[in-house]
Amino acid sequence: AQKVTQAQTEISVVEKEDVTLDCVYETRDTTYYLFWYKQPPSGELVFLIRRNSFDEQNEISGRYSWNFQKSTSSFNFTITASQVVDSAVYFCALRELTQGAQKLVFGQGTRLTINP
Amino acid sequence: NAGVTQTPKFQVLKTGQSMTLQCAQDMNHNSMYWYRQDPGMGLRLIYYSASEGTTDKGEVPNGYNVSRLNKREFSLRLESAAPSQTSVYFCASTEHLNTEAFFGQGTRLTVV
Repeated sequence: AQKVTQAQTEISVVEKEDVTLDCVYETRDTTYYLFWYKQPPSGELVFLIRRNSFDEQNEISGRYSWNFQKSTSSFNFTITASQVVDSAVYFCALRELTQGAQKLVFGQGTRLTINP
Repeated sequence: NAGVTQTPKFQVLKTGQSMTLQCAQDMNHNSMYWYRQDPGMGLRLIYYSASEGTTDKGEVPNGYNVSRLNKREFSLRLESAAPSQTSVYFCASTEHLNTEAFFGQGTRLTVV
């Protein structure tokens, strides 16, 4: 069965620090997709990134970067020079393809608090 | 440019009452989903509809029913609400198999 583990339940750092959110996944599929979503205090889910299993290149988007390592089944997310607006719950998710639909298996989420 | 719209945003029910959560998307997506979010458990899939006319159970379907009314709308019904169904419910839709899911704003349901 597919599984996603975010072992860090809560992280608290001071503004401008770098912070890494860990994500470890389990799947028997040879082709799969991983996602990160952000849930700010307002409650909506905001898509951040999608990564397929064929592409192991790291990705950078402004202060955000993602490190995908198939050898360790990890897809970690780093925020550089964190800001108060980065405070949110972050979810890692794995796509499970079933009967024409893509179901998402979510990790438990990491609550990130950036203190001024 | 509404995306995925859920109604209501908040609801309080008494144990045993019934209600229907509504979801509509205006992006012409084929697949739609209902998830529930509970503290410390992430989001879990309740039901999904791969395409108009089909529905299937997800991880936690007990106590719920769904209807894919048409391509735009996918409703979730609680026939006899229980306190264990207190949660935040999210509707989502996807266009293709390899694209991201778009989520509604969520419905916060409390069963007392």
